[in-house]
Amino acid sequence: QQQVKQSPQSLIVQKGGIPIINCAYENTAFDYFPWYQQFPGKGPALLIAIRPDVSEKKEGRFTISFNKSAKQFSLHIMDSQPGDSATYFCAAIYNFNKFYFGSGTKLNVKP
Amino acid sequence: EAGVAQSPRYKIIEKRQSVAFWCNPISGHATLYWYQQILGQGPKLLIQFQNNGVVDDSQLPKDRFSAERLKGVDSTLKIQPAKLEDSAVYLCASSPVGQGVYGYTFGSGTRLTVV
Repeated sequence: QQQVKQSPQSLIVQKGGIPIINCAYENTAFDYFPWYQQFPGKGPALLIAIRPDVSEKKEGRFTISFNKSAKQFSLHIMDSQPGDSATYFCAAIYNFNKFYFGSGTKLNVKP
Repeated sequence: EAGVAQSPRYKIIEKRQSVAFWCNPISGHATLYWYQQILGQGPKLLIQFQNNGVVDDSQLPKDRFSAERLKGVDSTLKIQPAKLEDSAVYLCASSPVGQGVYGYTFGSGTRLTVV
């Protein structure tokens, strides 16, 4: 049973575009929703995280939008750059330390 | 602050052989996790330790996988015997108690290829 469903599987945008990655979950007991960025040969690194009682959070060019009633959340990358090309994972955290990851989105930002 | 160290970076073995991975967490991090990341998928938790005790090993295939964390610091993950479907990146992560997502740090992983 997949706890977190992520889409799309891959995404290509031009430099300056705004890629949007979506995730959906079922378990309302999750208490935190982070996004991770992973470059080839590296482990996932935390980008930004949101609590379920907040509808939006911005950190630099990264924004999480959270829709509690729809049980969905998304990552927006403003003014995307070629250096943002990586795989992005959403996750949902239960009991503050049990992570369930989405299947990942491979983003390619073309110059 | 040094990150989570893992070795080796790469390993190629034949099926039915055994293999071991090593992880050294960030100093002071009481909780240590091993994840399996199959190509094209998100990481899946295999086992979680707090100090040297197992907190969760519900997704560890115990017939072939084992892990230990002696003295509550370093950890090793072993596969014996390996199967083709074990080909994956094995990630180690650590976190201090009580910091949730913000203290959670992944290592760069060990890429295992079983042929």
